[in-house]
Parts: sequence; C-alpha cells; structure tokens
Amino acid sequence: QKEVEQNSGPLSVPEGAIASLNCTYSDRVSQSFFWYRQYSGKSPELIMSIYSNGDKEDGRFTAQLNKASQYVSLLIRDSQPSDSATYLCAVNPRGRKGISNFGNEKLTFGTGTRLTIIP
Amino acid sequence: GAGVSQSPSNKVTEKGKDVELRCDPISGHTALYWYRQSLGQGLEFLIYFQGNSAPDKSGLPSDRFSAERTGGSVSTLTIQRTQQEDSAVYLCASSRVPRSYNEQFFGPGTRLTVL
Repeated sequence: QKEVEQNSGPLSVPEGAIASLNCTYSDRVSQSFFWYRQYSGKSPELIMSIYSNGDKEDGRFTAQLNKASQYVSLLIRDSQPSDSATYLCAVNPRGRKGISNFGNEKLTFGTGTRLTIIP
Repeated sequence: GAGVSQSPSNKVTEKGKDVELRCDPISGHTALYWYRQSLGQGLEFLIYFQGNSAPDKSGLPSDRFSAERTGGSVSTLTIQRTQQEDSAVYLCASSRVPRSYNEQFFGPGTRLTVL
C-alpha cells in the first residue's frame, strides 16, 4: 500500500463547478496535511494546509480532514481554467506546532491528480 | 520577500561528470529539503537539513549523492559520476521548523539532463 494515494485522473470539471480532489494516507499518526498545486513545467506551490479534523476554508479552496478515515480532500469552488494543474497531496507524519521532530520532517507526496477545467 | 532560489535552472551534462546544484532558502527558514521529481513521477525525498546538520539522509539513492549546508543557509547537492537515471528535476524547499507546521515552500527547481 502506498503511503499517500491519489486518483491520478485526469479529472475534468466544467468551469464554474466544484472540483473535488481526494487523498488517503496510511500512517495513522500523521499530523499535518498539505495540498500543492503544480502547473506543467513549474515547481509545486503550497495552497492549503490542515492539521485538525473538519474543514478549513481559504477563498475558493476548502480542505477537509478526517483522521479516523485517514482521508483528506480539497474542494475548489467556482472552478476557473487557471485552476487546471496537477494537485499534490502531502503528509508530514509528525509535524506538530511548536514541537521539533528532528528526524522525520520530510513530506511524503502522492503522485498527484491532474485537473482540467473545461471552459 | 524573496522565495527559495535555485541555480542553475537547467543543467545538461555528460554521463560520468560531476554536477553541483545550489539552493538558497527563504531568509529565516532553518529547515531545508531536497527532493527530486522524475518525468511522470511523484516527488521523492532526498535529504533534510536542520541548520547545518542533516538528521535525515535516508532518501539519497546512492553514495554518488551528497549534500552540505553552510552557515545555516545555502545548500549544495553534489552528484558524482552522473548516470542517465539521475536525469530529473531537483527541487529544494525550506520551512520555518519548528515554529510552523512544517509548511514547505519550493524553489523553481534545477532540471538535470544526463546525456
């Protein structure tokens, strides 16, 4: 079983609709979760981070975390053509605010979901 | 403020040559990471620095790979006797661990092509 799994897509969504991206992870003690957006030929850009169960909203983006189900998702409302990119889910097994956990600070990434917004 | 910078942006080398890739993290970020991304592949962790020390080198694929960081700032990733399978985009990231949840911010990457 992969540590972080994502549907590779491609996921096609009409402009203006809600895009839903999903990610599951295997390490039950994981604490920090991140969504990165990567345009073709560019480096990953951090767009959302979430640490507690529930929803976190930032503009058109909402991250959802369910630690019991080991599941994290990203919703993009009012999808725009500029949202077309690959979305990477990343997990830090032991990231905790204010606590240094030297020795396990790497992020484990999924292989990404390619999202295409259709005008 | 300035983000993570990397140089060179592109590097083409011949098999067997050594290459050095440079990363300059965001000012004030104590943690620095190297990853690589091969065509169609996910990001693969290579090494992590906290200050000038490297608590986690577990991702370095062979002893041809080494990295150092000086002054708690700039880092250099060296690949000796390059092989064609080393061709990839090498990405550097930094974060303000421990005063953050380890949000990592990436540089633009160095695209390495080994002929």
